[in-house]
Order: sequence, then structure tokens, then C-alpha cells
Amino acid sequence: GENVEQHPSTLSVQEGDSAVIKCTYSDSASNYFPWYKQELGKRPQLIIDIRSNVGEKKDQRIAVTLNKTAKHFSLHITETQPEDSAVYFCAASILGNRDDKIIFGKGTRLHILP
Amino acid sequence: DTEVTQTPKHLVMGMTNKKSLKCEQHMGHRAMYWYKQKAKKPPELMFVYSYEKLSINESVPSRFSPECPNSSLLNLHLHALQPEDSALYLCASSRYRAETQYFGPGTRLLVL
Repeated sequence: GENVEQHPSTLSVQEGDSAVIKCTYSDSASNYFPWYKQELGKRPQLIIDIRSNVGEKKDQRIAVTLNKTAKHFSLHITETQPEDSAVYFCAASILGNRDDKIIFGKGTRLHILP
Repeated sequence: DTEVTQTPKHLVMGMTNKKSLKCEQHMGHRAMYWYKQKAKKPPELMFVYSYEKLSINESVPSRFSPECPNSSLLNLHLHALQPEDSALYLCASSRYRAETQYFGPGTRLLVL
């Protein structure tokens, strides 16, 4: 079955700098890769997603890149702000597969330092 | 309505109690899920209800039992829980299985 590895487990960056979180997946059939942000005590919320027919997607300060050959995808946050502090989870799934499910990475705790 | 709602927000129960968690969505989504999340860990899938069929994670003990009264509701019945079952229980829904999941606010459960 699918396995998703996420690194690093903890990341501290100075406010205003960029943060990068990387994930690798094992199942080459995976074609949908969402990223969730979970603030302390709150629900995971989708912040960006990418499908396998696209190499990069951007939404303001957040971008996701996908390398299908290497089976890895990354989240990039630029000009980090204190409110970016949270746990980020990557995930992978196969769209259109009735029996498949989303597999989550173990999460990255991002600290934005003032 | 673009939200998944869950009740109660908090629940404290003894090991002999029976309680239920409720989850509701009115987005017309065809798949609903229950997850268990321990502190500093990713959500762990417990149950999926999609296409009128229930899928169960084999590692989930029988003291948890899901119930789907209709396509908008997914309840989780709890009976004879253990202290290690204390966690955040998240409900989610998606348009179809394996598509973007939208999470409810969760129920924080404490078993004494």
C-alpha cells in the first residue's frame, strides 16, 4: 500500500524567511496530493493541493511542487509570519479509486521565530 | 452550508459508560470518515462510509461502532472505552472517496 514520508518533523525559521517541507510517496499510481495545516487545538484545514498533471501550484505565499519521477512533493511558504506556526501534514491518494483512502505523512511542526 | 459539524466538543466518560459522537455535513458529500488523533500525531483512519458501504480499519477495537442513519450523518458509538482511547476524534467528509477531505472541529474525549 501507499506510504508517505515527511521531513523534517520539526522546523524553526525566522519570521520573514522561507520554509520548505518535503514529502515522498511510494505508490506511483497516486495522483492527488493535499496539504493540511493544523493549529493547536484545531481541526486540520486544507491549505493547498496539487494533482499529478501539474508540476507546480501557487496561492499567495504558499506553493507546492511535484516531481512525479522522483515521487516527491514539497510545500514552500515564503515571507513566513507568526500565524504560519502550526503542524503541517502532507497526504497522497488516488483520485477516482473507490477503495482508496488518503494517506497522511507524520507531520511537520513549524515554529516561526520572532 | 460548507462545514462539517461535530457534537459534543468535549466529552468525559468513565470506562463503563456508553456515549455517542455525532457528525453531520450538508455539502452533499458521498464519503464520510472517522479519525482518531493523539497529540503530536497525524490523524489515524478508523472508519469510512462511502457508496452506502462501511469500511473498517481492522485495528480499531469493537468498543467503537459507527452508524450511518443517512447520507448526511455519521455517528460513532462508544462503549466500555479504555483510558488510552482518550484523544481528539475527527469527522471528515469528501465529495467522493479519496478526494479532498474537510474536517469537523473534533470531539476531545477523555476516558477516566
